[in-house]
Order: sequence, then C-alpha cells, then structure tokens
Amino acid sequence: SQKIEQNSEALNIQEGKTATLTCNYTNYSPAYLQWYRQDPGRGPVFLLLIRENEKEKRKERLKVTFDTTLKQSLFHITASQPADSATYLCALDMDNAGNMLTFGGGTRLMVKP
Amino acid sequence: EAGVAQSPRYKIIEKRQSVAFWCNPISGHATLYWYQQILGQGPKLLIQFQNNGVVDDSQLPKDRFSAERLKGVDSTLKIQPAKLEDSAVYLCASSSRVTSGNNEQFFGPGTRLTVL
Repeated sequence: SQKIEQNSEALNIQEGKTATLTCNYTNYSPAYLQWYRQDPGRGPVFLLLIRENEKEKRKERLKVTFDTTLKQSLFHITASQPADSATYLCALDMDNAGNMLTFGGGTRLMVKP
Repeated sequence: EAGVAQSPRYKIIEKRQSVAFWCNPISGHATLYWYQQILGQGPKLLIQFQNNGVVDDSQLPKDRFSAERLKGVDSTLKIQPAKLEDSAVYLCASSSRVTSGNNEQFFGPGTRLTVL
C-alpha cells in the first residue's frame, strides 16, 4: 500500500525565513499531489495542487515542487510569518481525480517572531 | 458560500455506548467523505459517497461503524458500540468536480469524540 512520510517533528523557524517541508512517498507515483493546512480544532484547508507533469507551482508566498523520480514533494513558505504557524498535510490523489486522498501525518510549523 | 457543517463539535461517551455524527456538505457538492483523524496523525478515509451511493467504504470497520446519505445531501456516521480506540476527530468533507478544477476537498470543523 502507499506510504506517505512527513517529518513528524515540529519545524521551528524565525519570522522572515523560508520554511521547507518534505513529503516522501513509496510505491507508485500519483498524478496529483495536494497540500493542506490545518489549524488546531479545525478541518484541513486546501492550499495547492501540483500535477505530475508540473515541476513547480506557486501561489503568493507558497511554492510546491514535485519530483516523481525522487518520489518527493517539497513545500516552501517564503518570508514566513507567525500566522503561518499550523500543521501542513500532504495528500496523494490515488484515483487521479481528487476523490481518494491518502494523507501524510503532517508537519507542524512554528514561526517565531 | 456556507461551508461544511458538522455537529456536535464534541462528544464524550462511555465505551460500548453508541454515538452519531451529522454532516451537511456545501450545497451542490455531490461527493461526501467521512475521515477519522487520530491525534498526531493525518486524516484517514472511512467512507466516500457520490450522491447517495457508496463509492468506497473499504476502510470502514463495518462491524461497528455505519454511515448513510439517504437523500444525497446530509449524512450521518454512527458508531455502535464504541471502543476506546475510536477516540478521534471525525471530519466530514465534500467536493465537486463540476465547480472545482483543483479537485480539492472542503472540510468541516470536525467532531471530537472521547471514549472513556
């Protein structure tokens, strides 16, 4: 079965720095990979989707890369702010239509002022 | 646009009791999902509905969990009888392939279940 690994340890960075979160997966490569943000006591919120034929996707201060050879996606937040503190989840689209998402365990990001 | 609604937000029960959760998806979303999220883990899909039909329930513990979406809108998830390991947040999500080119899922706030 598909296994998704995200760093379970919290990532602590200083405000203004770039945060980089990693998502590694095994077995077959999905056609799509999604990133979500989850705040305490709330449901996940969609941030970005990247397709297998896209090496990089950007949205404001967010950047996602997708390397199907390494079976890895990197999620970057540039000029990080304390408001970016949350847990970030990667999710693999198992049926190539967004219907069957398999989530990683998430990485908690703490941005200190 | 109203988001996904869930109730109750919190529930505490004794083991072997039964419990039910309710979800109202975003209007017009044909696909509805129930996830279980154990503390410190990512959401795990329990069941997926397309309108009022089940698409995937392979990870639903059918000996104790059941779910329905009778009119293709609201859905309920039931646990009977509950076990200690069922303590988790139960998330409902919905999606629409018609309105979203990103295939993203929209999540409700979840119901936090504690089984004592």
